[in-house]
Amino acid sequence: AQSVAQPEDQVNVAEGNPLTVKCTYSVSGNPYLFWYVQYPNRGLQFLLKYITGDNLVKGSYGFEAEFNKSQTSFHLKKPSALVSDSALYFCAVRDIGGFQKLVFGTGTRLLVSP
Amino acid sequence: KAGVTQTPRYLIKTRGQQVTLSCSPISGHRSVSWYQQTPGQGLQFLFEYFSETQRNKGNFPGRFSGRQFSNSRSEMNVSTLELGDSALYLCASSLESGGGNEQFFGPGTRLTVL
Repeated sequence: AQSVAQPEDQVNVAEGNPLTVKCTYSVSGNPYLFWYVQYPNRGLQFLLKYITGDNLVKGSYGFEAEFNKSQTSFHLKKPSALVSDSALYFCAVRDIGGFQKLVFGTGTRLLVSP
Repeated sequence: KAGVTQTPRYLIKTRGQQVTLSCSPISGHRSVSWYQQTPGQGLQFLFEYFSETQRNKGNFPGRFSGRQFSNSRSEMNVSTLELGDSALYLCASSLESGGGNEQFFGPGTRLTVL
């Protein structure tokens, strides 16, 4: 069964600094990987996904993520953080083949200070 | 295109009652998934429907049920409500089921059980 881990409950970063939100996954085959963001009292918003191809995936709002098969990781990154990036971030994985469900991590709260 | 809509947005019920939540997917999307989000348990998968058929089911008791109509709209029902059912219930739609299809989330229904 597929699973995903977000080892940090919270990440603190100063505005203008680069940010990284970590995600590792476990699947039996090849993964489909996703990042979502949730602002207070809102549903989740899709940021980016990895299906195949280039390991560096670019998404919305200047975010990108790097797929690393050997380390089974899919860390979310942004070169320069904004205060408005403060939110809850979820990594999700779906195993390839069939109609697999999407499995979400526990979420990482990102706090960007001015 | 209109996003995923969920009704009602807020609901207050008492223990033992039942509740029905509604979700209208993005036009053209045929897959609808439901999630329960709580501070303690995070985002838990309830079930997924595709073309009126349940494709996947999470580990929830039989009190939780759902269905999908021919126009892809979906409802979920919770019978004999318990205090622990208080949560944000999120609906998400995608073009197809599984694979690299990203899900688009509605704003959620906040259910409070007293």
